[in-house]
Amino acid sequence: DIVMTQTPLSLSVTPGQPASISCKSSQSLLHSDGKTYLFWYLQKPGQPPQLLIYEVSNRFSGVPDRFSGSGSGTDFTLKISRVEAEDVGVYYCMQSIHLPLTFGGGTKVEIK
Amino acid sequence: QVQLVESGGGVVQPGRSLRLSCAASGFTFSNYAMHWVRQAPGKGLEWVAVISYDGSNKYYADSVKGRFTISRDNSKNTLYLQMNSLRAEDTAVYYCAKVSQSVVVADAFDIWGQGTMVTVSS
Repeated sequence: DIVMTQTPLSLSVTPGQPASISCKSSQSLLHSDGKTYLFWYLQKPGQPPQLLIYEVSNRFSGVPDRFSGSGSGTDFTLKISRVEAEDVGVYYCMQSIHLPLTFGGGTKVEIK
Repeated sequence: QVQLVESGGGVVQPGRSLRLSCAASGFTFSNYAMHWVRQAPGKGLEWVAVISYDGSNKYYADSVKGRFTISRDNSKNTLYLQMNSLRAEDTAVYYCAKVSQSVVVADAFDIWGQGTMVTVSS
């Protein structure tokens, strides 16, 4: 199974300041079709997860442009350029190149 | 609008069975693979199972293989999860999720249900 390791476990951010979350996979997520199957989700309190970023760096429909994803192979980063109060929750990375699908352990983001 | 609504959760004794349902609307259900993902109280997300768009392929997490069965009825736009021999460690919120691209088995989950809670306790 592919192990997804997220750091940090938690972040406390002042509104308007940037935030960065790292996700490392135990195997490359680059498929022979040229796509990299790494996704980011945000689970707001009391809600199901919602898709933020697909294939490393593509924002899903309606996701603000303060969210950006980058990386390649086994090393990925989610950045929030200016954190807002509505960004609180737990962020998860996920890989879908191999079954079983696996998630990172999550990074809890809170506002200072 | 595009929507997934789970039902069937509840409190069940260890060793008993439960069947979850996920009613889909707002999209062509029969074109998309569907997944179940669970989340134990206060814990992270764990993938459970997937079924292909036509029901011909099914895959399971090792933790549920042999006990859980995923199925779908495309005429009813409904996904199911039959859970047998339930254990305390199966206690979780169970979410159904739709893949973003048609036909493919695994991809981003663009739509999630609100989840249904399953508690396994004597």
